[in-house]
Amino acid sequence: SAVISQKPSRDICQRGTSLTIQCQVDSQVTMMFWYRQQPGQSLTLIATANQGSEATYESGFVIDKFPISRPNLTFSTLTVSNMSPEDSSIYLCSVESRGRGRGLGAFFGQGTRLTVV
Amino acid sequence: DAKTTQPTSMDCAEGRAANLPCNHSTISGNEYVYWYRQIHSQGPQYIIHGLKNNETNEMASLIITEDRKSSTLILPHATLRDTAVYYCIVSDMNRDDKIIFGKGTRLHILP
Repeated sequence: SAVISQKPSRDICQRGTSLTIQCQVDSQVTMMFWYRQQPGQSLTLIATANQGSEATYESGFVIDKFPISRPNLTFSTLTVSNMSPEDSSIYLCSVESRGRGRGLGAFFGQGTRLTVV
Repeated sequence: DAKTTQPTSMDCAEGRAANLPCNHSTISGNEYVYWYRQIHSQGPQYIIHGLKNNETNEMASLIITEDRKSSTLILPHATLRDTAVYYCIVSDMNRDDKIIFGKGTRLHILP
């Protein structure tokens, strides 16, 4: 299994500012995923980040608001830009796990709990 | 959109088997059935997955119907620590498919 570290684990930010969340994996992975989980809700996929190419965003999410970097096979960042209280959520990083030629599923970090005031 | 439907919530007595159903009537031939759970304030945790055959690991058993349109996750001896939201997901991980979460089932284990 992959070990995923996210930083920061939580933060309280002023509206209008930006926060960059880091995701570090202990092994090389092709695909990394960023999710948002609003209070009391399920997880919503924001984007898929492949190393060496631009991230692919899901409907309702745009690069200007959630820019993503993927500089190598073990690291990615998600920035939440120009924050408003509606951005208060848990943001989670995920990586796929593969074995014997087929996917084993995904592993998740513990998340970053963001509160915008 | 999620391709699965699950009951919103379920209760189960501690020590009993918890059986969590999932409908995935539009599942395609290459899609696996995955189960994850999310304990409060933690990231989702992989439990088990399967394609056609029933599967068992140290955490749970997965029973998939012959037509693959539904499945059941079984926690054989539920404990209070199994209280969580359980997500059933279908995905073609061989194709680098995304994992799309539905609303899941909130399982309460009762002492």
